[in-house]
Amino acid sequence: GENVEQHPSTLSVQEGDSAVIKCTYSDSASNYFPWYKQELGKRPQLIIDIRSNVGEKKDQRIAVTLNKTAKHFSLHITETQPEDSAVYFCAAPHRASGTYKYIFGTGTRLKVLA
Amino acid sequence: KAGVTQTPRYLIKTRGQQVTLSCSPISGHRSVSWYQQTPGQGLQFLFEYFSETQRNKGNFPGRFSGRQFSNSRSEMNVSTLELGDSALYLCASSLVSRSEIQETQYFGPGTRLLVL
Repeated sequence: GENVEQHPSTLSVQEGDSAVIKCTYSDSASNYFPWYKQELGKRPQLIIDIRSNVGEKKDQRIAVTLNKTAKHFSLHITETQPEDSAVYFCAAPHRASGTYKYIFGTGTRLKVLA
Repeated sequence: KAGVTQTPRYLIKTRGQQVTLSCSPISGHRSVSWYQQTPGQGLQFLFEYFSETQRNKGNFPGRFSGRQFSNSRSEMNVSTLELGDSALYLCASSLVSRSEIQETQYFGPGTRLLVL
């Protein structure tokens, strides 16, 4: 079936600590995995993505890892700052009707405590 | 390039009415997807349009419909509104050069619909 599981649903960390959010997908044909950050009252913004030809991608304090065999991918935020507080969504494409539609995880509310 | 735009940004309707929301994709993007976002259900896929054709549809009742114009702008319509339709409606556009390519989606700011 089409399903993306995301954990945890809420995460509180102290400023400067690391945060990890994990997602599991079901469609073995998926090969592109984006992460979005949504601040209160704003649109989801793409913060990092990864394609299945690599196992890890980094962009400053943010990294994403992918394990295609286990069908899971994770978002890692290091040296967290208060402005990292937001809801984070993972997504995975699911093949339907000859093309793809994106299934989103249920979101993780990250709170960075100063 | 200008980002994805949506109008109106806010709407208040009463039960039984209908509503039409509009989405203008990023210039050159031909795929537009619509999502319903609620606190309890997260981002739920409504449908996707490409070259004026609906290519994918989510599990929503027939009261939810959409269309896409030749300039890739898209509209979605909800008829016979129910209280449960109150939500943030987001559209997202992507380039989609070929159907087998899994492309990045860019979101608009959303239309917040309140049904009284």
